[in-house]
Parts: sequence; C-alpha cells; structure tokens
Amino acid sequence: DIQMTQSPSSLSASVGDRVTVTCRASQSISTYLNWYQQKSGEVPNLLIYAASSLRGGVPSRFSGSGSGTDFTLTISSLQPEDVATYYCQQSYSSPLTFGQGTKVEIK
Amino acid sequence: QVQLVQSGAEVKKPGASVKVSCKASGYTFTDYYIQWVRQAPGQGLEWMGWIDPNSGGTNYPQKFQGRVTMTRDTSINTASMELNGLRSDDTAMYYCARGGLGSASCYGCRAFDIWGQGTTVAVSS
Repeated sequence: DIQMTQSPSSLSASVGDRVTVTCRASQSISTYLNWYQQKSGEVPNLLIYAASSLRGGVPSRFSGSGSGTDFTLTISSLQPEDVATYYCQQSYSSPLTFGQGTKVEIK
Repeated sequence: QVQLVQSGAEVKKPGASVKVSCKASGYTFTDYYIQWVRQAPGQGLEWMGWIDPNSGGTNYPQKFQGRVTMTRDTSINTASMELNGLRSDDTAMYYCARGGLGSASCYGCRAFDIWGQGTTVAVSS
C-alpha cells in the first residue's frame, strides 16, 4: 500500500499569510494526487485534483504542485473561511489512501 | 443538481450488520464509480472501496474484504454498502462519493468530486 504522509499535522497562521502544506508518498504516484478540504462538521470537499488542477468554483488562492513523491498545497493569502483540515489522497493505485490531515487555524 | 443523498443514522449492537444507501441524482448513475469512505470520530478519512454502477464490479481494500459488500440498483440510481460483524471501532461517519474528476491510472481511481451528506453509524452494546 502507498503511504501518504502530511506535514505539518497542524499550523496556525495570520490572515493574509501564505500557507503551505506538504504531502509525501511512499512511492512515486506521478501526479495522481488530490487535495480535499474538510471544515468542522462538514463533508469533505475536493479542491485540487491531478496535483495541480483547480476544481471549478474553488478560489484561486488555492494551488497545488508536485509530482512523483512530493506535493504541496498552497494558500496564497489565508482567509478566515479557510480554517479546516486538509487531506491529500493518492489515486494512483488501489488501495486509495489518504494522508492523516493537516489542521489549519487562524493565529 | 448533481447530488448524492444517503440514508439516515443507525445504531447497532456489536456483531450486527448495517446497510447504508446512497441515492444519486442529476447525472447518469452508471457513468461514474461510487466510492465509500469512513471517518471515525476525530480521525481522518479511510477508503472502504468502490462499486462500478455499470457492471456491478467492486474493489475492496484487504482490511474490509469478507466484511463489506457493495451493491447497486440501477433502477433507482442507488448504491449501498453493507458492513457485517460490527465492532465498536466501526463507529464512524460513512460517506459515499462519486469518482468523477481527473484521469484514471487504475479502475476507480478518479478524484471524489461529489459527496453524500454522511451517515452516522454508532456501534454500542
């Protein structure tokens, strides 16, 4: 199974800050990497698929990059509504696996 | 609009079975795989498998093989997930999701673009 490891587990940043979340795969997954946002008490929501493709309707302050084993999710200017837990997921091979999540809070 | 609507909350005793349904609307049901994901309280997301509504084919991770069964009824655009031999650590929110975006490197391997609202399953004696 492909293990997905996110860092950090949590972070606190100020409104307007640039925030970066990292996801590392235990083996190469090309660009088959997706990012989900889950706000407290809500259903997960797909933000980015195929490592860098922004889903329609997602604010442009979100971006994704990477290939192979190392990926990043960047929020260019953190907003209060971005408080959430973010999960990466590999869709390269079965079993599909998620990272453990990164909790993003406002300082 | 495109949506997945799940059945209501369940409370079960250890050893029992639970069946959660997921009704699709707003798109052609047989065009997209249905995925199942669960989330224990305060924990992360765990993939439970998928069903291809077109063929009825399924794929389960080893952890759930022998204990989970996914089915579909194309006449009512509904997928279902049955989990047997419930234990206390099966207490979780169960989600269905549509695998709808991105290219697929393997069967069922597309990003989950539409999610159901979730079904709470509590297992307690």
